[in-house]
Amino acid sequence: EDKVVQSPLSLVVHEGDTVTLNCSYEVTNFRSLLWYKQEKKAPTFLFMLTSSGIEKKSGRLSSILDKKELFSILNITATQTGDSAIYLCAVEGFILTGGGNKLTFGTGTQLKVEL
Amino acid sequence: EADIYQTPRYLVIGTGKKITLECSQTMGHDKMYWYQQDPGMELHLIHYSYGVNSTEKGDLSSESTVSRIRTEHFPLTLESARPSHTSQYLCASSEDSGRAVGEQYFGPGTRLTVT
Repeated sequence: EDKVVQSPLSLVVHEGDTVTLNCSYEVTNFRSLLWYKQEKKAPTFLFMLTSSGIEKKSGRLSSILDKKELFSILNITATQTGDSAIYLCAVEGFILTGGGNKLTFGTGTQLKVEL
Repeated sequence: EADIYQTPRYLVIGTGKKITLECSQTMGHDKMYWYQQDPGMELHLIHYSYGVNSTEKGDLSSESTVSRIRTEHFPLTLESARPSHTSQYLCASSEDSGRAVGEQYFGPGTRLTVT
């Protein structure tokens, strides 16, 4: 069964700190790993990673994938209170029932950034 | 900005009632999904569709049913609501071709409470 484990489960930091969120996975026929930010209700897309060792970057956020060790990290530098959210990791893999691929989500890391 | 809508946003209903949660997207995406998410828990896929007249059950058993008569519309129905159905329901869509999932766009969710 496909599995995604995120750590830490929750984290409290001060503004300006740098944080690293971890995601490890076991999935059949890996296709991609995605990071989402969930504030209040709907997750919003951050990154999709398909190749090992290539960093994706968007402003203060960056992410990298290691397909050999089966994990990814999400870095946030110079954190701000607006970064407070749940960060979800999801992995796309192949499913058999009905065909096609699906996303398996981790439980997320709850990040709180304080002043 | 993704254009995917869910109604109602909040619903409190008595046991035994029939309910339909609406989901619509204006992006012309073929793939649509329903997830169930309890507080502090991961998103679980309960239904998905690869296009009109295509629906499949996800990996979390659910007593709900779905239909896909139009590309833009993917409603979820509970014939007889029970307290165990209390949860948040998130609808999503993606545009990737073939079996791939790719980036998913999420609606704002429906918070359902069954008393």
